[in-house]
Amino acid sequence: DTAVSQTPKYLVTQMGNDKSIKCEQNLGHDTMYWYKQDSKKFLKIMFSYNNKELIINETVPNRFSPKSPDKAHLNLHINSLELGDSAVYFCASSLPSGGYEQFFGPGTRLTVL
Amino acid sequence: AQSVTQPDIHITVSEGASLELRCNYSYGATPYLFWYVQSPGQGLQLLLKYFSGDTLVQGIKGFEAEFKRSQSSFNLRKPSVHWSDAAEYFCAVGVSGSARQLTFGSGTQLTVLP
Repeated sequence: DTAVSQTPKYLVTQMGNDKSIKCEQNLGHDTMYWYKQDSKKFLKIMFSYNNKELIINETVPNRFSPKSPDKAHLNLHINSLELGDSAVYFCASSLPSGGYEQFFGPGTRLTVL
Repeated sequence: AQSVTQPDIHITVSEGASLELRCNYSYGATPYLFWYVQSPGQGLQLLLKYFSGDTLVQGIKGFEAEFKRSQSSFNLRKPSVHWSDAAEYFCAVGVSGSARQLTFGSGTQLTVLP
């Protein structure tokens, strides 16, 4: 059983397009996250949602918009894609209590041409 | 603000040798500390975590880490490395509050020689 899943795994698109990445967790967690991992493997938090409410919104271009239809899903929509958006995007989720450990999805490799 | 430093970008060890990956953190309160491993093309997997109590914590795959408050360190160790341990290793610190945000270090790439 997959705990945190993301689709698609790979996404290749042209500059200027709009694309979405979907994330689902079946762990019953109440907080979900989006991270961006750049070409140097550096991981940076983008967004955090707790019970469908935005908690963290780091300095991210407003072309990026998270959407959480329910506690188990957190999608990432990106408008007007740019070359610099090429990266691996990870979704994660965490328990409501007991610590801060996060469970990560397999990642979506986005390539903007 | 909290920060995590992993001073070694790349480490190479021979299979069967011991391993220590360094991690230093900066945070005003008692930290929640984690080590994650990322195999090529994969997501991050939690190796171990420290919240409180015993400063030597055991994790999966034979890894352990020791929390040293006086040195602000949380180094990861393994007595005998296997070829399958080759991966990227990330140290992270948890920030208190409702956000439960993790701040990650820049990672250490481990290469294992046969």
